[in-house]
Amino acid sequence: DVKVTQSSRYLVKRTGEKVFLECVQDMDHENMFWYRQDPGLGLRLIYFSYDVKMKEKGDIPEGYSVSREKKERFSLILESASTNQTSMYLCASSPLLFRATSDTQYFGPGTRLTVL
Amino acid sequence: SQQGEEDPQALSIQEGENATMNCSYKTSINNLQWYRQNSGRGLVHLILIRSNEREKHSGRLRVTLDTSKKSSSLLITASRAADTASYFCATDAGAQKLVFGQGTRLTINP
Repeated sequence: DVKVTQSSRYLVKRTGEKVFLECVQDMDHENMFWYRQDPGLGLRLIYFSYDVKMKEKGDIPEGYSVSREKKERFSLILESASTNQTSMYLCASSPLLFRATSDTQYFGPGTRLTVL
Repeated sequence: SQQGEEDPQALSIQEGENATMNCSYKTSINNLQWYRQNSGRGLVHLILIRSNEREKHSGRLRVTLDTSKKSSSLLITASRAADTASYFCATDAGAQKLVFGQGTRLTINP
């Protein structure tokens, strides 16, 4: 079974703190994604990566950065956390089968981040 | 954006009944996928239907795709309490990305 793990299920941080959310997948997938999920807004893509050290901005990258130093690990960084970044953060991975189409995405359990 | 939009936003039915959820999108797609999310958890992939397919089955799930109407439906037959969850459609935005709708919240009453 594909397994995507996230470093924390719940996290509470203070405004201005630097926050690291870690995601690890064990299926040798090329693609990895970070989403945030908010009530009424669905899932919104923050960043994704299709290879080590490669990244692309999603729909809402402002206030976030990412790091992918190893194929299995994709980190989301909040440089200076703000209260409007309180949300559920979901990591996902998918294989690269055909460059022009998207395959199934496998999700981690999510990290519920609260910024006070 | 070719965001999928689910309808209804919420659905409550009795155990044993069938549940139907719909998804509409705006532009042409390569494939459309349905996911389930139990409360407070990650999403789980249910089924993928390609643009050249019209219907697909998986257990109690039946998905249809009408590319001329840019719509899809997910039917869950003989619903169970364990089917209580939110259901999302996701459209293939190209370049390895998916665009998710806001979801349908399904409640199965015993």
